[in-house]
Amino acid sequence: EPEVTQTPSHQVTQMGQEVILRCVPISNHLYFYWYRQILGQKVEFLVSFYNNEISEKSEIFDDQFSVERPDGSNFTLKIRSTKLEDSAMYFCASSVRTVYGYTFGSGTRLTVV
Amino acid sequence: DQQVKQNSPSLSVQEGRISILNCDYTNSMFDYFLWYKKYPAEGPTFLISISSIKDKNEDGRFTVFLNKSAKHLSLHIVPSQPGDSAVYFCAASEQAGTALIFGKGTTLSVSS
Repeated sequence: EPEVTQTPSHQVTQMGQEVILRCVPISNHLYFYWYRQILGQKVEFLVSFYNNEISEKSEIFDDQFSVERPDGSNFTLKIRSTKLEDSAMYFCASSVRTVYGYTFGSGTRLTVV
Repeated sequence: DQQVKQNSPSLSVQEGRISILNCDYTNSMFDYFLWYKKYPAEGPTFLISISSIKDKNEDGRFTVFLNKSAKHLSLHIVPSQPGDSAVYFCAASEQAGTALIFGKGTTLSVSS
């Protein structure tokens, strides 16, 4: 069964450093998303991406965050200057026809020290 | 602001019995509802969805009921199996494909 692949599975970074989280969505999907889950809290929407542009973003997704689809397969989330509170599981998701629900990746655990 | 609420953090059920997971929402603009299942160290797995034009959707052992007037939905699992033990998230969006708003989840434990 097709899956969304995220790398790395775990990343540790120092506060103030830039990180790039990578995702390979399912190949025929057109809609891409990033969510995060801080430990013990609910899954929160960050951003959605369609047709090479951001279609929706939450208030969490401030100027420190950016997304990119640099080629036909990868979808990346960049955090420019990480803060301790950015520590969370970051989930990438994609969908082909949004009515059928998203497929989530296994997540990247980001730890900012 | 909790637009999607799962008021029961946990539920324990015996194998073979029915599991009923509940979810309430406050945003009347929500039009599309989904249930996800999540194991530790994995991403959420889509289970079943329902749009606001329906009041019931069934897929095998899983049935979702929607009561729009009460702003309430529930997931029924019959019969429950030990492999169903996981965290179940209710999620909603105003349109299919827009931001999903998740509840905090209910941990289901099915004992054999």
